[in-house]
Amino acid sequence: GENVEQHPSTLSVQEGDSAVIKCTYSDSASNYFPWYKQELGKGPQLIIDIRSNVGEKKDQRIAVTLNKTAKHFSLHITETQPEDSAVYFCAVIKAAGNKLTFGGGTRVLVKP
Amino acid sequence: DGGITQSPKYLFRKEGQNVTLSCEQNLNHDAMYWYRQDPGQGLRLIYYSQIVNDFQKGDIAEGYSVSREKKESFPLTVTSAQKNPTAFYLCASSAQGTGNYGYTFGSGTRLTVV
Repeated sequence: GENVEQHPSTLSVQEGDSAVIKCTYSDSASNYFPWYKQELGKGPQLIIDIRSNVGEKKDQRIAVTLNKTAKHFSLHITETQPEDSAVYFCAVIKAAGNKLTFGGGTRVLVKP
Repeated sequence: DGGITQSPKYLFRKEGQNVTLSCEQNLNHDAMYWYRQDPGQGLRLIYYSQIVNDFQKGDIAEGYSVSREKKESFPLTVTSAQKNPTAFYLCASSAQGTGNYGYTFGSGTRLTVV
């Protein structure tokens, strides 16, 4: 089955700096790559996603890049703020089956 | 507003008891999922259902049971056979066949064995 590895597991950054989280996947047929943000005691919320026919997508301070050849994709957060502190999960899915496979999560701490 | 509702938010179980966690969605999604999350850990799939009256085991189904009698509802029962049930349980739903693969998650139920 699909295997998704996410790094780093924890990330501490100074407010205003950038944060980058990377995920690698094993199944070349995967074609949808969402990122979720989970705040303490809450359910994950979708923050950005990208499909296999696109190399990069931006939404204000967050962006996702996809390298299908190398089978990895990354989340970039610029100008980090304390409210960006949370756990972030990447995920992948193939067109058929519609079951997401999640990475292990990254705990991001933004220090004021 | 459309969404997915989990109840209760906190649940306490005595040893040997079965407990049922509720998950209801009004998003008209066909597929629903249950995940378990342990402290500092990722999401592990317990059960999922892609259509009413059908469901499949996920990676850690032992000690759990589900039903899907209505499209809107996917309750999870944690049975006494689950030896370590203390965890945060998340329900999610997704549309099928529309090209929209994203999951919508509920706010979770925290189950504690006392």
